[in-house]
Amino acid sequence: GAVVSQHPSWVICKSGTSVKIECRSLDFQATTMFWYRQFPKQSLMLMATSNEGSKATYEQGVEKDKFLINHASLTLSTLTVTSAHPEDSSFYICSASRGGDSYEQYFGPGTRLTVT
Amino acid sequence: SQKIEQNSEALNIQEGKTATLTCNYTNYSPAYLQWYRQDPGRGPVFLLLIRENEKEKRKERLKVTFDTTLKQSLFHITASQPADSATYLCARNDYKLSFGAGTTVTVRA
Repeated sequence: GAVVSQHPSWVICKSGTSVKIECRSLDFQATTMFWYRQFPKQSLMLMATSNEGSKATYEQGVEKDKFLINHASLTLSTLTVTSAHPEDSSFYICSASRGGDSYEQYFGPGTRLTVT
Repeated sequence: SQKIEQNSEALNIQEGKTATLTCNYTNYSPAYLQWYRQDPGRGPVFLLLIRENEKEKRKERLKVTFDTTLKQSLFHITASQPADSATYLCARNDYKLSFGAGTTVTVRA
């Protein structure tokens, strides 16, 4: 299989605090991991692409200082939402790819973030 | 930028019928088109991938076509069942994925 997990599955935090979301590939090594955001009734929007050991590449309009991404190992990537505001409330989903010639991405179950 | 559009926001069909979903893209053909299923509050689950040089792909009751002339992919669910009710996402894969808005399919028993 190709299983990707995320932790936590949901989190509620106060405005101004930071939240860390973990994404793990459980049974394969992920050369590349992707972070998406999905607002209600909308599709997934790619936020950033991260390769193990390298700095993440952010999509246009995504603030890299607000959404800190670390891809420290071939099985773990983290997304930290810094100084969260209510407008950051969303469904955050990660995916992982084996890289090379593999174009398949395996998605995690998502993390629901609510900022109060 | 590369756009990907799914024409229908929602599709309601009777159990046993075939659901057909449409996905259109702009500009050049992607190397791959991929279809995913997403249930409420969950991440997408990969269903099928079709390459630019492939016309059709099948997996059990699912069929995907890729027409580079029309710049379109069709996704069919044959002999549909209530358990097929979900949102289906089309995505073009140019190394990174660009998703369509999705079509929510409801299969009535």
